[in-house]
Amino acid sequence: AQSVTQLDSQVPVFEEAPVELRCNYSSSVSVYLFWYVQYPNQGLQLLLKYLSGSTLVKGINGFEAEFNKSQTSFHLRKPSVHISDTAEYFCATFSNTGNQFYFGTGTSLTVIP
Amino acid sequence: DVKVTQSSRYLVKRTGEKVFLECVQDMDHENMFWYRQDPGLGLRLIYFSYDVKMKEKGDIPEGYSVSREKKERFSLILESASTNQTSMYLCASSLWRLMNTEAFFGQGTRLTVV
Repeated sequence: AQSVTQLDSQVPVFEEAPVELRCNYSSSVSVYLFWYVQYPNQGLQLLLKYLSGSTLVKGINGFEAEFNKSQTSFHLRKPSVHISDTAEYFCATFSNTGNQFYFGTGTSLTVIP
Repeated sequence: DVKVTQSSRYLVKRTGEKVFLECVQDMDHENMFWYRQDPGLGLRLIYFSYDVKMKEKGDIPEGYSVSREKKERFSLILESASTNQTSMYLCASSLWRLMNTEAFFGQGTRLTVV
């Protein structure tokens, strides 16, 4: 079965510092990967997605992620975070056989002033 | 602008009550999903539907049922609410076409069972 693992449950970082949120996936079929963000008491919003093509994917709010097939990773990065980036971040994959999404357990990013 | 709307943001129900959570999407999506979100557990799939009147069990279907009588509407039913069903419930929808897929989420319903 397809799954994703988010290696860090909580990541504190100072404002204007760079951040990396880690995600590893397991799959024996084609890979479709996503990062979502959830602000407090809201639903999830898509940051970026990888379906095919370039392994470096740029998303909204200055985030980007790199698909690395050899390391089965899809880490999310931002070179300089803002207070407003404080939120929960979820990595996800889509199964084209089961027609459903699989989500990681989430990483809580806290940006410290 | 794409939209998934959940009928309630906050809901308080008593143990044993039958609870209906409604979700409507205006994007003509084939797929619709119900997730439950709990701290430290991420999102867990309860049920999903890929067409009208079709449903598939997810990872945690026990204690829940669903209904999809129209393409735009997907209802989650708690037959007899229990305190361990206190949680945040998220509805999502997506296209069937793989190369353009992503899940669109509603705002969530925070359900408290007392």
